Amino acid sequence: DGGITQSPKYLFRKEGQNVTLSCEQNLNHDAMYWYRQDPGQGLRLIYYSQIVNDFQKGDIAEGYSVSREKKESFPLTVTSAQKNPTAFYLCASRWGVDQPQHFGDGTRLSIL
Amino acid sequence: AQSVTQLDSQVPVFEEAPVELRCNYSSSVSVYLFWYVQYPNQGLQLLLKYLSGSTLVKGINGFEAEFNKSQTSFHLRKPSVHISDTAEYFCAVSPLLYSGGGADGLTFGKGTHLIIQP
Repeated sequence: DGGITQSPKYLFRKEGQNVTLSCEQNLNHDAMYWYRQDPGQGLRLIYYSQIVNDFQKGDIAEGYSVSREKKESFPLTVTSAQKNPTAFYLCASRWGVDQPQHFGDGTRLSIL
Repeated sequence: AQSVTQLDSQVPVFEEAPVELRCNYSSSVSVYLFWYVQYPNQGLQLLLKYLSGSTLVKGINGFEAEFNKSQTSFHLRKPSVHISDTAEYFCAVSPLLYSGGGADGLTFGKGTHLIIQP
């Protein structure tokens, strides 16, 4: 079955540590996205990529970094510069602006 | 730029009663419209979408939505809800013509928590 796989489902970060969240899709979509979800705030866009080797900052990119070396993969690194990383992170992909986004099942990141 | 307002953060309703979740949007261009559902600790699942044509759109799980261009609304309805409909619902818009600038235009509302009471 085609879809988006996010791993791990739960992740814990120590102070001063970088962590990387994985996102893999086999839908052959060009565009991929990372969102952060906090209670009562909806989805906020962190980074997006419309093509391999290219990505753009979203609304809340500070403290995060991404890469897009392969069409199927769009990993997100939460750096130590992100002072409030506890949140639910969602990865998505889609064909184009007239198509809905497909979402993974998310990664919940917490601070130890 | 677009914006989406979901007018209610929470909607409690009794089981088997009808429900309407309200969504209004603002945009200087024509848009595509989507409703998503999110169950606890899961990703978002598409309920329905409006791209063009009939303004009444039917989706999965018995939901439907009506696009009203003059009122810039896309309210979601279900005639009879079940306990299993308890979830967070998100309205989203995307411009028809993506100019290539900005975050390709998909904008989400802040969500409405539908609470079904037995």
